[in-house]
Amino acid sequence: SAVISQKPSRDICQRGTSLTIQCQVDSQVTMMFWYRQQPGQSLTLIATANQGSEATYESGFVIDKFPISRPNLTFSTLTVSNMSPEDSSIYLCSVEETGYYNEQFFGPGTRLTVL
Amino acid sequence: QKEVEQNSGPLSVPEGAIASLNCTYSDRGSQSFFWYRQYSGKSPELIMSIYSNGDKEDGRFTAQLNKASQYVSLLIRDSQPSDSATYLCAVNTGNQFYFGTGTSLTVIP
Repeated sequence: SAVISQKPSRDICQRGTSLTIQCQVDSQVTMMFWYRQQPGQSLTLIATANQGSEATYESGFVIDKFPISRPNLTFSTLTVSNMSPEDSSIYLCSVEETGYYNEQFFGPGTRLTVL
Repeated sequence: QKEVEQNSGPLSVPEGAIASLNCTYSDRGSQSFFWYRQYSGKSPELIMSIYSNGDKEDGRFTAQLNKASQYVSLLIRDSQPSDSATYLCAVNTGNQFYFGTGTSLTVIP
């Protein structure tokens, strides 16, 4: 499976600031996703990062709050804007590897704490 | 109704026992099914994929799929303390992945 890295692995930020999270994959992939996982909760899909076009956001998530870039098939960024303590969470990127059946693999995650 | 449902647990089993984790899904058109293991503070790791009715074995892990009952399970034989984790069931329906809320498993030495 693809090797996925994320930077930073963790950060502590002040309310009102923004943080950009990077996701790098060691091979070209068509589908990349961004998830949020709040403490003790399951995964919530934020958006699908589309190469060459605007990301597709899930209900409850908007581009102004979570702008996403996907400049090529191996890289994406998620920005968490104007942060509040409610944004404290683990943010995960994932990639879908296509085959007869598609499988999804996750990066190591970014643990964000907003004070 | 949620797309994927799991018992949240916690499930506790003694070391060496069989741990049985269960998952149901709502869409009969679902094509592929997955089990992820997530250790505390880590990201989910894909451990089993299953696409056809029946059993699929990989080492100590067996995934079971019953499409008629819309039911997927994961059996862990000879459970070890290192198996203690949260196990997430996922279903691919119409090229969209849906994740369950996870079952917390503790293997007691």
